[in-house]
Amino acid sequence: QVQLVQSGAEVKKPGASVKVSCKASGYTFTGYYMHWVRQAPGQGLEWMGWINPNSGGTNYAQKFQGRVTMTRDTSISTAYMELSRLRSDDTAVYYCARSRLGITMIVHYWGQGTLVTVSS
Amino acid sequence: NFMLTQPHSVSESPGKTVTISCTRSSGSIASNYVQWYQQRPGSAPTTVIYEDNQRPSGVPDRFSGSIDSSSNSASLTISGLKTEDEADYYCQSYDSSNVVFGGGTKLTVL
Repeated sequence: QVQLVQSGAEVKKPGASVKVSCKASGYTFTGYYMHWVRQAPGQGLEWMGWINPNSGGTNYAQKFQGRVTMTRDTSISTAYMELSRLRSDDTAVYYCARSRLGITMIVHYWGQGTLVTVSS
Repeated sequence: NFMLTQPHSVSESPGKTVTISCTRSSGSIASNYVQWYQQRPGSAPTTVIYEDNQRPSGVPDRFSGSIDSSSNSASLTISGLKTEDEADYYCQSYDSSNVVFGGGTKLTVL
């Protein structure tokens, strides 16, 4: 069965960077795009972008361009999302989510989420 | 970019049927698939409908999805409501470059 296991909660100071990992199992890692979605406390879901684990190609939401970097390590079936120049309004739960077979823009399987708290 | 608009909240009694709408602001609702996610408090979202009207295995057939081109909207219908259906529900669609989520609807089963 598809499993996405994310790294643990992080506390960061404003201006710092955070890197969240997402280890995939139960399927061919390079066969499906990986999306990153965040959710601020009490708010809705916000799409950040995707990475093609096969090629390493990325597509970032305009809001995050210049601050977000998505990478992957195919040898350990793990995707990463790094967000830099953190602000207090970046406090959120960050989810990785795998796409559907053949339709890269459908978010289908979700990780458990990683809480990132930005506070001085 | 387009937007997906959902009602902020809906409520209904156990055993009844409820429908949650998701209206696309520009472009045809039929041009790209719509998905629906359920999110219970403190948990990650899970897919209840994908590709407009398909249910993942394990999702009861009380959940159904549809699209209506005349209103440019998608709908999630839950019949035979149970207290366990109380959750936030989000629609999702996309265009060539972006994934878009609706703002979410809080379903209360009272």
